[in-house]
Order: sequence, then C-alpha cells, then structure tokens
Amino acid sequence: GENVEQHPSTLSVQEGDSAVIKCTYSDSASNYFPWYKQELGKGPQLIIDIRSNVGEKKDQRIAVTLNKTAKHFSLHITETQPEDSAVYFCAASSDQFYFGTGTSLTVIP
Amino acid sequence: SAVISQKPSRDICQRGTSLTIQCQVDSQVTMMFWYRQQPGQSLTLIATANQGSEATYESGFVIDKFPISRPNLTFSTLTVSNMSPEDSSIYLCSVEGVHADTGELFFGEGSRLTVL
Repeated sequence: GENVEQHPSTLSVQEGDSAVIKCTYSDSASNYFPWYKQELGKGPQLIIDIRSNVGEKKDQRIAVTLNKTAKHFSLHITETQPEDSAVYFCAASSDQFYFGTGTSLTVIP
Repeated sequence: SAVISQKPSRDICQRGTSLTIQCQVDSQVTMMFWYRQQPGQSLTLIATANQGSEATYESGFVIDKFPISRPNLTFSTLTVSNMSPEDSSIYLCSVEGVHADTGELFFGEGSRLTVL
C-alpha cells in the first residue's frame, strides 16, 4: 500500500516569514495530493490540492508543488500570519486516501 | 463542498459502555467514510459506509467493535462498542465532494471521545 511521510513534525516561524512542509509518497499510482489544515478542536479543512498532471498550484499565500519523478510534494505558505498556526496534513490518493503524520506549525507574532 | 454535522462533538465515557456518533450531510453522497485520529496522530480510515449494504472495514477494524449504519444517502452512524481508554480519539466523518470524480474529501468537525 501507499506510504506517506511528512516533515517536519513541528515548525516555528516568525510572522511574515515563509513555511515549507514536505511530503513523500511511495505509490506511483497516486494521482491526487491534497493538503489539510486542522485547527484545535476542529476537523481537517481542505486548503489546497494538486493533481498529477500539474507541477505547481498557487492560491494567494499558499502554493503546492509536485515532483512526480521524485515522488514528493510540498506546501509553501508565504507571509505567514498567526492565524496560520495549526496542524497541517498532506495526503496521497489513488483509490484511497493516505495521510501524512502532520506538521504542527506555530507562527510567532 | 458539503456541510457535514457530527454529534456529539465531545463526550466522556465510562469503560465498557458504547457510544453512537451521528453524521449528517447536507447533500446526497454515495460514500461516507469514518476515520479515527488518536491523540497527536494522523488519520486512519476505519471503514467506508455504503448505503444499502454493509460497511467495508479496513484492516484492524471489525464490525463488532465499530458497527456502522447507513440508512440513507445523507446520514450515517458509527458506534464505538465496549469502550476502553485506548478508544479515546477523535472520530471523523467524511464524504467525497459533490463531484465524486474530482476526488476531494471533506471532513466533519469530529467527535472527541475520552474513555475513563
């Protein structure tokens, strides 16, 4: 089955700096790669996703890149704000979703 | 995206008891999914709830422990039976987007269970 690894497990950045979270996957059949943000006491919220026919996608301050050859994808958050503080999960999917172990991001004001 | 409501949002339960979690979706969906998120951990799929047929369970999860109902296309329940402290987790209901072929997965707010 698929194996998704996510790094780092924790990340602290100063407000205004950028944050990068990286994930790798093992199954070349995976073709959909979403990112979720989970705030304390809430369910995961889809924030951005990318499909295997695209190398990069951007939505305002967040972007995701995908390298199919190397089987890794990354989440980039620019100009971080305190409200970006949360746990972020990556996932890889073909017929089922496989989630990474999460990254706890803290943005320091 | 679908609006997914879960009840209860949290509960404290005694060892040996059972609790049923309800999930209501604001639109008809073919498949509903139940995930478990143990403290500080990632999301693990428990089962897929299919309308009109038995749920499909993932390895490590059995129907006797986690019975699931799916009476219609907008509602499902997950029961956690004979609970032990190891069952303390967040249980999440999820559904595919309106356009299932896009592959998007949406989650409810979760039900946080603490078993004493």
